[in-house]
Amino acid sequence: SQQGEEDPQALSIQEGENATMNCSYKTSINNLQWYRQNSGRGLVHLILIRSNEREKHSGRLRVTLDTSKKSSSLLITASRAADTASYFCATDPGGSYIPTFGRGTSLIVHP
Amino acid sequence: DTGVSQNPRHKITKRGQNVTFRCDPISEHNRLYWYRQTLGQGPEFLTYFQNEAQLEKSRLLSDRFSAERPKGSFSTLEIQRTEQGDSAMYLCASSPGGVRETQYFGPGTRLLVL
Repeated sequence: SQQGEEDPQALSIQEGENATMNCSYKTSINNLQWYRQNSGRGLVHLILIRSNEREKHSGRLRVTLDTSKKSSSLLITASRAADTASYFCATDPGGSYIPTFGRGTSLIVHP
Repeated sequence: DTGVSQNPRHKITKRGQNVTFRCDPISEHNRLYWYRQTLGQGPEFLTYFQNEAQLEKSRLLSDRFSAERPKGSFSTLEIQRTEQGDSAMYLCASSPGGVRETQYFGPGTRLLVL
């Protein structure tokens, strides 16, 4: 079973708009990570947020974590066509060293 | 830091044949992971090594699957008597270990079983 689930499954926006993706998980975690995957490629790590952190920024990325709701969000500001990819959240349920991935959000940014 | 590499990138085989994939992690990364990914899904954990020790295997990993990391460096994943359901992308990732949990993924090996 999937620990993390991303929402929405698919998102289509225009270049310059912001994109928000959400991730919900079921059990306690030590950290949550977001990854990007371009079609047919491996995953690229974007950002890690620890359970004692509430918000983290990296360039145009902003990640929030609400452990009381067991949810996280990834915001991409001023999106570009090159941001077109699938985005996955990964959690470490029970503090294991084995990240568990959701099904991902497929983002399409139209130029 | 040359990144994680995987070979081959693509493999087409006939049902019943054996296949072997190789993963070269980032040097000095202690942990190495194998995942399987099918279309529209996220990566599913298969197995994980800490140095040369295989510490955990998923229940997805049937007895037709075997993985090794003989010297704590590169790893191989072998699938015996392949089935059409084995068709997927096989991803390898490595991480430094300790409190640095970030995984670095290779490009994957895409397997097609005819």
